Parts: sequence; structure tokens; C-alpha cells
Amino acid sequence: AQTVTQSQPEMSVQEAETVTLSCTYDTSESDYYLFWYKQPPSRQMILVIRQEAYKQQNATENRFSVNFQKAAKSFSLKISDSQLGDAAMYFCAYRGAFPPYGNKLVFGAGTILRVKS
Amino acid sequence: DGGITQSPKYLFRKEGQNVTLSCEQNLNHDAMYWYRQDPGQGLRLIYYSQIVNDFQKGDIAEGYSVSREKKESFPLTVTSAQKNPTAFYLCASSPQGPNYGYTFGSGTRLTVV
Repeated sequence: AQTVTQSQPEMSVQEAETVTLSCTYDTSESDYYLFWYKQPPSRQMILVIRQEAYKQQNATENRFSVNFQKAAKSFSLKISDSQLGDAAMYFCAYRGAFPPYGNKLVFGAGTILRVKS
Repeated sequence: DGGITQSPKYLFRKEGQNVTLSCEQNLNHDAMYWYRQDPGQGLRLIYYSQIVNDFQKGDIAEGYSVSREKKESFPLTVTSAQKNPTAFYLCASSPQGPNYGYTFGSGTRLTVV
């Protein structure tokens, strides 16, 4: 079964600094999709960024970017110029390209990010 | 605006009772999902449905039941067979196809009293 591992239960960053959240996954598939979701204290899940495995270029969304290393099965999230509003739980998620793993997202356990002012 | 509505926001259940959590979407999404969130365990899939009148068990389906009679609605019933139902429940939907992420509802906090 596909699994997603987030090895950092908690991380802290100073406001305006950069932080990287780690994610590794286990799969035998060659084509798949990876996601980062943010869950602030309101508990509303928000999609942050998405990466297609067949694309070598790392995805970027404003201050959020990923470092996708397909061979290493690693998908880290970099947050630049951290802001107080970035404080949240962050979840890494995997979705296969074909059934059955393409039918659903598999989530990691999450990383709590604290932002210090 | 399109979105997913979960109700109620907070729900209290007595021992031995069944309770139903509501999930409605107006995004015209084919697929809908129910996840359970416990502290330190991330999100675990309970049930999902890719089309009306069809649904599949997820990783922790025991003690839960669902129905999908309408495209817009995917209610989750927590039965008395679920021994530890206190948790945060999230409903989500997505278009068909693996390249889409989910749109989530705001969740229901269920507590056994």
C-alpha cells in the first residue's frame, strides 16, 4: 500500500525566515500526484500546492515551493518569507494515477508549523 | 459560491446511539469522501464514492455506514458499533480524475457523552 511519512511532528520558524517541511512516500507506481494541504486553527483544509510526478519542474505558488526528488521519493515544502498566518498543520498527500490508488488521497500524519514574531 | 457544507459543526452522541453527519456539495463533483482526523494520526479514509448509488470502504469503515442517493449529498452514519467515535470528521469532494485534489468541508466534531 502507498504510504506517506512526515518525519517532523513540529517545526518552528521566525517570521520572515524560510522553513522546509519534509515528506517521503512509498510507491511502486511511476505516475502519480503529490499535494500539500494546510490546516490552520480553524481546521479548514486548504490546498497549498500540487505536483505531477511526470513533471521534472518543481511547482511554485507565490511563497510556497516544493523540492520534488522522484528517485528519492521525497516531496518537501519550502515556505519563504514566513508570515504569522502560515502557522498551521501541514499535510503531505499522495494520489496514484490509476485505480485503486488514483481513487483517493493518502495523507501523512502532519507537521505543526509555529511561526515566531 | 460553490462549496461543501458539513453539519452540524458540533455533535454529541450518547452511548449506543447512531448519529448522522451531513455533507452537501454544490460543486458538481462526482467523487465524495469521508475522513476521520485524530490527534497525531493525520486523516484516515472511512468511505468514498465516485458515482451516485455506489461507494467503497476505506481503511477504517467498521462502525460506519454511508449512502449516495444524490450527487450532491454523502451522509455518514456513525453507528453504535463504532467503539471510539470521538473525533473530527471531514468531508471532501473532487472531480473525477487523479490529478485533482480535494475540496474540503469545515468539519464536524463528534463527542461521545
